[in-house]
Amino acid sequence: GDSVTQMEGPVTLSEEAFLTINCTYTATGYPSLFWYVQYPGEGLQLLLKATKADDKGSNKGFEATYRKETTSFHLEKGSVQVSDSAVYFCALSTSGTYKYIFGTGTRLKVLA
Amino acid sequence: DSGVTQTPKHLITATGQRVTLRCSPRSGDLSVYWYQQSLDQGLQFLIQYYNGEERAKGNILERFSAQQFPDLHSELNLSSLELGDSALYFCASSVSPGTGGDGYTFGSGTRLTVV
Repeated sequence: GDSVTQMEGPVTLSEEAFLTINCTYTATGYPSLFWYVQYPGEGLQLLLKATKADDKGSNKGFEATYRKETTSFHLEKGSVQVSDSAVYFCALSTSGTYKYIFGTGTRLKVLA
Repeated sequence: DSGVTQTPKHLITATGQRVTLRCSPRSGDLSVYWYQQSLDQGLQFLIQYYNGEERAKGNILERFSAQQFPDLHSELNLSSLELGDSALYFCASSVSPGTGGDGYTFGSGTRLTVV
């Protein structure tokens, strides 16, 4: 079945460091791919999305490119801030389905 | 504020009891989804409703049930509660019944603790 694999956390970085959180997927169709962020005590918020191969999603300095050849959707940010500390979830949905498949989440901690 | 309202925020109850979690979707959204988030299982899709009708079922236990009312709010009923039901329960909403490329809007969740 469809699945999403994320790198294990926690990831601890200093402020202004470069961030990469790896995400790979397995899907029988042509999925849409998403990154969600969950701040402490809150629900998930859509961070960015890409709906077809080679699309780049971007928001708040975060970027991810839909790579069909490597079935990946890695999240990157050039310079993280303390306020980026949160749990990041990679997810997919395939056309005709009614649910997301979420990865297990990666906790990011940014130190001042 | 995401626009999706969940009540209560916290709930503590004993094993064997029954609880009801409530969700009001974002204005204009017709589809409601329920997810369970636990430490060992991650985010698990439970069930989806669209405009009052059940559209999809995921890993929802028979002890759990849900419905969506004419005003589009939804309730998730959990009965014969067990310790393992302790989790964060999220509601999400979207305009269309499928996720498409639009994404969901999530509420802030109800934290259920079964003691």
